[in-house]
Amino acid sequence: GNSVTQMEGPVTLSEEAFLTINCTYTATGYPSLFWYVQYPGEGLQLLLKATKADDKGSNKGFEATYRKETTSFHLEKGSVQVSDSAVYFCAHLNYGGSQGNLIFGKGTKLSVKP
Amino acid sequence: ETGVTQTPRHLVMGMTNKKSLKCEQHLGHNAMYWYKQSAKKPLELMFVYNFKEQTENNSVPSRFSPECPNSSHLFLHLHTLQPEDSALYLCASSQDGSNRGSWGANVLTFGAGSRLTVL
Repeated sequence: GNSVTQMEGPVTLSEEAFLTINCTYTATGYPSLFWYVQYPGEGLQLLLKATKADDKGSNKGFEATYRKETTSFHLEKGSVQVSDSAVYFCAHLNYGGSQGNLIFGKGTKLSVKP
Repeated sequence: ETGVTQTPRHLVMGMTNKKSLKCEQHLGHNAMYWYKQSAKKPLELMFVYNFKEQTENNSVPSRFSPECPNSSHLFLHLHTLQPEDSALYLCASSQDGSNRGSWGANVLTFGAGSRLTVL
């Protein structure tokens, strides 16, 4: 069935470290892929997206590339800040599906220390 | 502020109580959603309303009863809940909840959530 697997957290990094959060998915067809972020005490916000193979989504210094051959959408940032501390969710949506059918991963908590 | 407001932010209730969660969106969207967020589990979609019509009910127990009087307001009525129902309940909205809209019309905007504790 459709699912999203992302690396277990928590991930703890020092400021300016390089970040990778792995995400792989199983889906029928060619889904759209998303990263959402949840800051403490808030709801989820869309961070970035990619809608077809080899697309690169980017926002706020974060990037993720849609890799169809490895069914992956790993999130990366070259230099994290304390303000990036949050929970990150990978998600996919099958073609033609409504947003209510987003399949989310369990989330990866990131803590960035000064 | 995301444009989706949830009240109350925190709620503690006993198993025999009746309470309601409220969600209001000021974005002019036509679709609204309830999600359940529990620790160490993926986000669970509970209900979807598109143009005030319920289009999805993901096998949610009847002790959760949604109500959507108009496209801007969504309620979740709670009664005889169990301790395992304790979770963060997230409301979201999108411009279009169908699968006919363009991708951009379906981006979800979430509220900050209502933290529910059932004793």
